[in-house]
Amino acid sequence: DAGVIQSPRHEVTEMGQEVTLRCKPISGHDYLFWYRQTMMRGLELLIYFNNNVPIDDSGMPEDRFSAKMPNASFSTLKIQPSEPRDSAVYFCASSRKTGVSNQPQHFGDGTRLSIL
Amino acid sequence: GDSVTQMEGPVTLSEEAFLTINCTYTATGYPSLFWYVQYPGEGLQLLLKATKADDKGSNKGFEATYRKETTSFHLEKGSVQVSDSAVYFCALSDPAETSGSRLTFGEGTQLTVNP
Repeated sequence: DAGVIQSPRHEVTEMGQEVTLRCKPISGHDYLFWYRQTMMRGLELLIYFNNNVPIDDSGMPEDRFSAKMPNASFSTLKIQPSEPRDSAVYFCASSRKTGVSNQPQHFGDGTRLSIL
Repeated sequence: GDSVTQMEGPVTLSEEAFLTINCTYTATGYPSLFWYVQYPGEGLQLLLKATKADDKGSNKGFEATYRKETTSFHLEKGSVQVSDSAVYFCALSDPAETSGSRLTFGEGTQLTVNP
């Protein structure tokens, strides 16, 4: 089975530009998570969805960040306008919940974002 | 709220040395516990998990036992290899939370194994 697929793998853009990161979760998974990883702050949960509905976006840094999940097989994380401090690796992960058991999250390979 | 505390890194070992990375947690419910590994330039991969007290998760020579009495889930390996060099994350998922499958991660521990 294909894992979580993220695109692009690398993105370099200038400050002020709009950035869109994409994620395709594993088929059948009903949870989708967006994380940001930096040396300074480690791994941070930005937002997560359940059945395409945003459940908790308290980790989104500010209004410049937005995330959508228009269907079960696709999600985007958008930064507009981008700033140098947004430079990080952004991960998408998906999982499913069966009964009362929490199944492990499966991570994509990440998008390495550099804002100049 | 839930939290996970890992031993501070980085950890540097010689090949074939014994590895322990400590992990303790606090949770409101009865959590599932996980160890994830992140190799350079890659995403996190599930290494092992345990879902109830006294369960032992194991994979690739790594082991961790769910200790409810000490709220711990320490990662161990008897003989590390250079290829084990990576960042290791302890995490929990608390079904008591309305957040469902949300994971709470520790800070991560960088392991370097020298030949």
